[in-house]
Amino acid sequence: EEQLAESGGGLVQPGRSLRLSCAASGFTFGDYAMHWVRQAPGKGLEWVSGLSWNSDNIGYADSVKGRFTISRDNAKNSLYLQMNSLRAEDTALYYCARDISGWWKDAFDIWGQGTMVNVSS
Amino acid sequence: QSVLTQPPSASGTPGQRVTISCSGSSSNIGSNYVYWYQQLPGTAPKLLIYRSDQRPSGVPDRFSGSKSGTSASLAISGLRSEDEAEYYCAAWDDSLKVFGTGTKVTVL
Repeated sequence: EEQLAESGGGLVQPGRSLRLSCAASGFTFGDYAMHWVRQAPGKGLEWVSGLSWNSDNIGYADSVKGRFTISRDNAKNSLYLQMNSLRAEDTALYYCARDISGWWKDAFDIWGQGTMVNVSS
Repeated sequence: QSVLTQPPSASGTPGQRVTISCSGSSSNIGSNYVYWYQQLPGTAPKLLIYRSDQRPSGVPDRFSGSKSGTSASLAISGLRSEDEAEYYCAAWDDSLKVFGTGTKVTVL
């Protein structure tokens, strides 16, 4: 079964850092672009970042540009999100999602269950 | 901040047809595909429609998508109780993926 499992969330103080991970299984991870999408409590979906299968193409939402870094390790079937200078408004459930394409600008067909990040003092 | 506008709610009785609109601009819907995602309460989103009018395998043909100009629509025919969920449209806007504001569908 094709699955994604996020980890690394938790409670963190404003200004601190956190690294999220997403483990893929049941498919050839290196064939697909991957993304992070977040959802603040009671709010809608917000795309955070995405990268192509070979990491050549990377994009960020304006709200996280310069603070967050997306990366992947195809040998480990894993996607990462390094989050620095965290703010209260970054509090959300963070999902990783698979793109149906290798080139990162298509539909998201597989989603994890999410990992919660709570930024608070 | 969402740049795709959806009505906050829609409703219908079982068996009815419900349509959800999604309004964008020339930089997103007007020049790119539209996607629709369904989010049941407490669960991760699920892909419902991709490339404006394509259904992934396993999605019932009760769900259909269309696009015209800078707007798009999702139609649910033969409404069922399990369709009660939040629905989001989405599109690429240059190198950013933008989601709609979301529409809560209630089955009366």
